[in-house]
Amino acid sequence: GESVGLHLPTLSVQEGDNSIINCAYSNSASDYFIWYKQESGKGPQFIIDIRSNMDKRQGQRVTVLLNKTVKHLSLQIAATQPGDSAVYFCAGEGGATNKLIFGTGTLLAVQP
Amino acid sequence: DAGITQSPRHKVTETGTPVTLRCHQTENHRYMYWYRQDPGHGLRLIHYSYGVKDTDKGEVSDGYSVSRSKTEDFLLTLESATSSQTSVYFCAIKGVSGEAFFGQGTRLTVV
Repeated sequence: GESVGLHLPTLSVQEGDNSIINCAYSNSASDYFIWYKQESGKGPQFIIDIRSNMDKRQGQRVTVLLNKTVKHLSLQIAATQPGDSAVYFCAGEGGATNKLIFGTGTLLAVQP
Repeated sequence: DAGITQSPRHKVTETGTPVTLRCHQTENHRYMYWYRQDPGHGLRLIHYSYGVKDTDKGEVSDGYSVSRSKTEDFLLTLESATSSQTSVYFCAIKGVSGEAFFGQGTRLTVV
């Protein structure tokens, strides 16, 4: 079946450094991807999305890169701040359904 | 919170009892989803709906049923709760651009 997975369960970075969170997916039919941020005790919050007809998309301090050839996407956070500490999920959707399938998440810990 | 309300926010129930969780939206969106979140598993799709009375199974649908009799409400029912269904349940709606917005979650404990 389709799956979306993350390479590392925990990422520790220094405040001010750039963070890169990676994600791999298995379904070649996936054509829409979203990154979510989840803080403790809250629901996931939308960060940025990208469709398969793009390979890069930028937001405020965040960039998502999509490599369809190797079925990989990444979330880059510039100048990481303590408020960025959270669990980050990638999710993919596509094919004949509107099912949004999530990866297991990466915990980003920002050290002061 | 993108107009999504989940109720109850917390519930403790006994094994074997039926439980219904409610998701209510004020956005009139077509797609609604139920996920469960457990340590080490991330968010797993239980069921989703693509319109009134139109639903389909997700990855972990066994032991769960859903109903959607009107656009704004999507109900998740555990017919006979088991300890393995202790989890945090999230409802989501799909926005016009495709992104899903989540509710605050329901923490369910089955004892």
